[in-house]
Amino acid sequence: AQTVTQSQPEMSVQEAETVTLSCTYDTSESDYYLFWYKQPPSRQMILVIRQEAYKQQNATENRFSVNFQKAAKSFSLKISDSQLGDAAMYFCAYRSATGNTPLVFGKGTRLSVIA
Amino acid sequence: NAGVTQTPKFRILKIGQSMTLQCTQDMNHNYMYWYRQDPGMGLKLIYYSVGAGITDKGEVPNGYNVSRSTTEDFPLRLELAAPSQTSVYFCASSYLDRSYEQYFGPGTRLTVT
Repeated sequence: AQTVTQSQPEMSVQEAETVTLSCTYDTSESDYYLFWYKQPPSRQMILVIRQEAYKQQNATENRFSVNFQKAAKSFSLKISDSQLGDAAMYFCAYRSATGNTPLVFGKGTRLSVIA
Repeated sequence: NAGVTQTPKFRILKIGQSMTLQCTQDMNHNYMYWYRQDPGMGLKLIYYSVGAGITDKGEVPNGYNVSRSTTEDFPLRLELAAPSQTSVYFCASSYLDRSYEQYFGPGTRLTVT
């Protein structure tokens, strides 16, 4: 079974600075998808960024980018120019590209942004 | 589109009571899911459905039941509620393509005392 590990329970960053959240995963598959979800205090789960395993190019969405290292099974999220609104729980998630398998989530990293 | 809606937002149950958490999506998604989120933890899958009339167990299905009679609705039934079922419950849906994101509802906070 696939597992997702987020080794940083909490992180903090100064406003306007850059922070990187770590995620590693364990799988024997070669084709899959990786996601970062944001959960603000409102509890709503919001997709931040998505990466297809077959793509070598790292995904980017505005201030959010990933460092996808397939061989190392690592999928870190970089937030540039951090804003107060970025404060939230961030969850890394894995999904197989085959079968009816659902998302597998890590335990999350709580990000605080200091003004 | 309203997206994924869940009712109720909050509920307190006594041990042994039963209830149904409602979930509706208006995006014509085939896939629907129920997750629970315990404090300090990620989401764990309870049940999922790949289409009307088809459901399957996730990681933590014990104590729950689901049905999927329509594409839009995916209710989660709790029978004989236990304190261990105190959690936040999320419903989600997605397109058939596995690369697509899951859209989440706002969650239901359930307390069993």
